Amino acid sequence: EPEVTQTPSHQVTQMGQEVILRCVPISNHLYFYWYRQILGQKVEFLVSFYNNEISEKSEIFDDQFSVERPDGSNFTLKIRSTKLEDSAMYFCASFRDRDNSPLHFGNGTRLTVT
Amino acid sequence: EDKVVQSPLSLVVHEGDTVTLNCSYEVTNFRSLLWYKQEKKAPTFLFMLTSSGIEKKSGRLSSILDKKELFSILNITATQTGDSAVYLCAVETQGGSEKLVFGKGTKLTVNP
Repeated sequence: EPEVTQTPSHQVTQMGQEVILRCVPISNHLYFYWYRQILGQKVEFLVSFYNNEISEKSEIFDDQFSVERPDGSNFTLKIRSTKLEDSAMYFCASFRDRDNSPLHFGNGTRLTVT
Repeated sequence: EDKVVQSPLSLVVHEGDTVTLNCSYEVTNFRSLLWYKQEKKAPTFLFMLTSSGIEKKSGRLSSILDKKELFSILNITATQTGDSAVYLCAVETQGGSEKLVFGKGTKLTVNP
């Protein structure tokens, strides 16, 4: 069964550094998302992306965050200047269409900011 | 503010027991309710519910939605140690990007 693939599985970075988290959604999917889960807390919506543009973003998704779909297959989340509180598991997700199609999640990237 | 509340937050049972996990919600534009199982990493999809009163079943797992009372339950019969996981309830909202609003999850531990 096709999967959403995320790399790396774990990223350690120093505060203030830029990180790029990468995702390859399922190939015929059209809607792409980033969610995050801080350890011990609930999964939170960050941003949704459709037709090469952001369709919605949460309050968490401030100017330090950006998303791109540079080549039609990869979907990236960039954090420009990481903070300690950005430490979390970041999940990429995608689904095919809006009718009865569940969201499929990747295995996540654990980001640790030191 | 959209809200999803799951109960209990954790549950410890013995193999063979039956469990019922609860999810209540308050959202402005409901589209569907989803259950996911989260073991170590990615939430894996279990059920998507859009209509009231129609039970969805997959093996020992079943789920039903009540759109009048705004809740859903997930039942697991004859539990096995492999059912140990965090079960996440999420409500999909419509009118924008169909994002999911998650509850905190129920951590189920099944002991042999």
